[in-house]
Amino acid sequence: DTAVSQTPKYLVTQMGNDKSIKCEQNLGHDTMYWYKQDSKKFLKIMFSYNNKELIINETVPNRFSPKSPDKAHLNLHINSLELGDSAVYFCASSLVSGGASSTDTQYFGPGTRLTVL
Amino acid sequence: GIQVEQSPPDLILQEGANSTLRCNFSDSVNNLQWFHQNPWGQLINLFYIPSGTKQNGRLSATTVATERYSLLYISSSQTTDSGVYFCAVEPSRGSTLGRLYFGRGTQLTVWP
Repeated sequence: DTAVSQTPKYLVTQMGNDKSIKCEQNLGHDTMYWYKQDSKKFLKIMFSYNNKELIINETVPNRFSPKSPDKAHLNLHINSLELGDSAVYFCASSLVSGGASSTDTQYFGPGTRLTVL
Repeated sequence: GIQVEQSPPDLILQEGANSTLRCNFSDSVNNLQWFHQNPWGQLINLFYIPSGTKQNGRLSATTVATERYSLLYISSSQTTDSGVYFCAVEPSRGSTLGRLYFGRGTQLTVWP
């Protein structure tokens, strides 16, 4: 019973290609996130969606575009991949009640290791 | 933005030893979580603890929100405790809902 799943687990590709990472959660959560973990293991939020609406959009190149077809899925599409995009990308989800001033626990997927050659 | 500092950056222990990891943060928070990233890269929730004390087996955590720090205690450490421990906080002021800021982590190595 995987709570937050990501595919693929590993992605190796050439510079300039376009790729997508998929994320699904079966927890019934309202909010989903994408984080990037760099080579020094620093984790930083990229995007957040609440009920299919974009609510957090960090300073991320516009080559990165999240898409949420429904509240259980949040995909990440990356255009024109660059060497510096190599990292581990984590999807996460949390239950956020309407009007809540704070969030509940965020649960993370297993990560997708992206290597750009 | 909020600063999150974890100490020590590295910790090496013999199996059976106890340890305390610290997380300091620079502003008031709505949310504080501790995570363990195992050697396979999986991020595992340990505690959701914006204030107070919680225990789960050999692990316990205390957050003193008024003094802006949290402690993670590991007792009778085992080799499977090895990995990186992250503290992450959501500021209660000037922040979009759910924006977690991570510390740089404590790399724990437990030897048999």
